[in-house]
Amino acid sequence: AQSVTQLGSHVSVSEGALVLLRCNYSSSVPPYLFWYVQYPNQGLQLLLKYTSAATLVKGINGFEAEFKKSETSFHLTKPSAHMSDAAEYFCAVSSPSGYSTLTFGKGTMLLVSP
Amino acid sequence: NAGVMQNPRHLVRRRGQEARLRCSPMKGHSHVYWYRQLPEEGLKFMVYLQKENIIDESGMPKERFSAEFPKEGPSILRIQQVVRGDSAAYFCASSPESYNEQFFGPGTRLTVL
Repeated sequence: AQSVTQLGSHVSVSEGALVLLRCNYSSSVPPYLFWYVQYPNQGLQLLLKYTSAATLVKGINGFEAEFKKSETSFHLTKPSAHMSDAAEYFCAVSSPSGYSTLTFGKGTMLLVSP
Repeated sequence: NAGVMQNPRHLVRRRGQEARLRCSPMKGHSHVYWYRQLPEEGLKFMVYLQKENIIDESGMPKERFSAEFPKEGPSILRIQQVVRGDSAAYFCASSPESYNEQFFGPGTRLTVL
């Protein structure tokens, strides 16, 4: 069975500050990992994904994440927050074998203040 | 290429009524996934379908819920005799193959009065 834990249901940063959203996973097989962003009343948009290639993954909007097997983590970072980054972020895991249903964390709401 | 389409975007039903949620996958995608998002929760997998086949319905409640993806037309998630606990956002995702990235629709927000 797979699971995802996102530490912190809400994270507040100032505009221009570092963004760090934490994600830890549990998986019995090497996983595929994803970060999605959800703006209010909208669907999910893929930010980036790890599929067993490079451990540092760069995504859209200046976000990146690093897969650390020893820590079972896949934290999302952005050097400098922008007001438009305010949204809810979901970490998800799937198995590379078989079909790819996603198991999501509970989400982290990112609040950006001026 | 239009994205995943879901309709209606908002649906209000009274307890005991039926709710039908529709999902049109992206062109060329034959794999459809349904997820439910309850308030303060992440998305939970419900069912995975290919054309005319249910592949995995392990996340679907055993009663009142059903899903189909016919040869022609959209995928339908059907909830019979809705209860207040069914109020949630229901998201559909599609992919061209089962191992590929899933593309999400905007969701249907169901409110049960």
